Amino acid sequence: GQQVMQIPQYQHVQEGEDFTTYCNSSTTLSNIQWYKQRPGGHPVFLIQLVKSGEVKKQKRLTFQFGEAKKNSSLHITATQTTDVGTYFCAGANDYKLSFGAGTTVTVRA
Amino acid sequence: ETGVTQTPRHLVMGMTNKKSLKCEQHLGHNAMYWYKQSAKKPLELMFVYSLEERVENNSVPSRFSPECPNSSHLFLHLHTLQPEDSALYLCASSQVSSANEQFFGPGTRLTVL
Repeated sequence: GQQVMQIPQYQHVQEGEDFTTYCNSSTTLSNIQWYKQRPGGHPVFLIQLVKSGEVKKQKRLTFQFGEAKKNSSLHITATQTTDVGTYFCAGANDYKLSFGAGTTVTVRA
Repeated sequence: ETGVTQTPRHLVMGMTNKKSLKCEQHLGHNAMYWYKQSAKKPLELMFVYSLEERVENNSVPSRFSPECPNSSHLFLHLHTLQPEDSALYLCASSQVSSANEQFFGPGTRLTVL
């Protein structure tokens, strides 16, 4: 079955630094989605990427979909304390959405 | 956010109890989902309802029984649970295809004693 792997599992970042989380699928995806879950909260949709090689930006967040549509990355620049939480990628294939295990981000002030 | 609501928000139950979790979506979506989120584990998809029909059941034990009476409401009936079933149970909704973005409810934090 479809598997979505996400690394790293944990990311400890100094405030102001950049970091990247990566997502890899065992199968070609129709689209990939990213969600953020704040501590004690629920996953909230951030963005969807559909096209091969697509890059989208949301302020300090840059999302990329690989050329083969099997991998994706989320890059955050100048990390702030508001960035804490767990970031999930979710790969869509046919009608099914498979979530990665998430990258949990903590920020050192 | 009030698009997807879940009740109760917290539930403590014994292994012999019967309880139900309720989910309601106000977004006009026609697909609804139950997920289980345990500590240090990925989101586990439990059930999918599309156009009020169950389209997926991911090998979930029979002590979990879903019900979808209409496109706006989803229930998860719980019976004879085990302590390892303690987790956050999340409901989500989307337009009919799971490939569309999903909107999650706040979840029910379940503790089985």
